[in-house]
Amino acid sequence: EVQLVESGGGLVQPGGSLRLSCAASGFSFSSYHMNWVRQAPGQGLEWVSYISSSSLTIYYADSVKGRFTISRDNAENSLYLQMDSPRDEDTAMYYCARDRSSGWPGVFDIWGQGALVTVAS
Amino acid sequence: AIRMTQSPSSFSASTGDRVFITCRASQDIGSYLAWYQQKPGKAPKLLIYAASTLQSGVPSRFSGSGSGTDFTLTISCLQSEDFATYYCQQYYNYPFTFGPATKVDIK
Repeated sequence: EVQLVESGGGLVQPGGSLRLSCAASGFSFSSYHMNWVRQAPGQGLEWVSYISSSSLTIYYADSVKGRFTISRDNAENSLYLQMDSPRDEDTAMYYCARDRSSGWPGVFDIWGQGALVTVAS
Repeated sequence: AIRMTQSPSSFSASTGDRVFITCRASQDIGSYLAWYQQKPGKAPKLLIYAASTLQSGVPSRFSGSGSGTDFTLTISCLQSEDFATYYCQQYYNYPFTFGPATKVDIK
């Protein structure tokens, strides 16, 4: 079964740090581009970051640029999001999402169940 | 960033209805548009990409149309499991952006 499972969510203080992980199974992880998408409580979806299959290309939303770092370990079939200096407005459910195609990126065909991050003192 | 808008923001419908959700982009995005369905407490689910291509496993009562700046998601015969929230998303360029959502509930 194709599956993405996030972990690492929880309560973090403003200015602290937290690392989210996403474990992939059931497909050739190293062949797919990956993303993080978040959803604040009761709000809509916001794309956060993209990493190509080889890690050569990375993009961030302006709202997290300079504070969050996306990475992956293809040998471990894992995707990561290092969240440094989080702010109250980073409180959200964080989803890892697979890019459908190895070509033009941006269509998310497989999603994890989400990891809830709460930023509060 | 490309801004996406959706209308209506919410509406009520009955099982069997034909419903339309529209999405507009702030600039020409060609056909680089996807539609997602989300149910409470669940992750979004891909329905349509490339504006009109049905994702594998998605029922054929869902269809998408449009190009450029104006797009439509049509559900031809609403089923009970279709009551949910729907998002459009452009992937023409970064940052990828989503519409604000359309919630479909039971009349």
